[in-house]
Amino acid sequence: DAKTTQPNSMESNEEEPVHLPCNHSTISGTDYIHWYRQLPSQGPEYVIHGLTSNVNNRMASLAIAEDRKSSTLILHRATLRDAAVYYCILRDVEPYNQGGKLIFGQGTELSVKP
Amino acid sequence: DAGVIQSPRHEVTEMGQEVTLRCKPISGHDYLFWYRQTMMRGLELLIYFNNNVPIDDSGMPEDRFSAKMPNASFSTLKIQPSEPRDSAVYFCASSLSLAGVNEQYFGPGTRLTVT
Repeated sequence: DAKTTQPNSMESNEEEPVHLPCNHSTISGTDYIHWYRQLPSQGPEYVIHGLTSNVNNRMASLAIAEDRKSSTLILHRATLRDAAVYYCILRDVEPYNQGGKLIFGQGTELSVKP
Repeated sequence: DAGVIQSPRHEVTEMGQEVTLRCKPISGHDYLFWYRQTMMRGLELLIYFNNNVPIDDSGMPEDRFSAKMPNASFSTLKIQPSEPRDSAVYFCASSLSLAGVNEQYFGPGTRLTVT
């Protein structure tokens, strides 16, 4: 019942940008695109979310395709501490709709080389 | 705020014993979630509460699992009797609402090993 598709793994070099892709071809008009990451031996943590426009915060940027069927999480300068599993998740904007639940797929395991 | 607090961080028990995992959500959050993570199945939502009331327990694997939230600042996940296949990391999370604009905050997890 996965609604998003991500590569299983990616590699990056330290201090280089990283682009993590996510496909969500069946996204509905009320779905937000969320990204969470899970560092080794920790619980998942929120990274960023967006609806239609590109978004930036202190952790990352989110680029959303015009048709919203795909998105890319951008880490501008990867550090060793960014090595984690990154999850792309669709969540319904409406609070009464159980589509707001977080349904985790397998995510992308990002490794960062010094 | 200290974030979501879970205890214990590690639990080792023998098959057949009762196990109780505990969670304190972030103050003011109306939603509390219990997840389980294994290598085989990844992160699965077990149950969630809204204002201390269980809303969706469709992810609870079987009757051996039960969860309660007696007040806004405390929840438990109980397994009785425990089995080796229950070995996993159990996470608790909380959020202001279920709306897609609100993030969930996760605790550090409880690593359960059933021998």
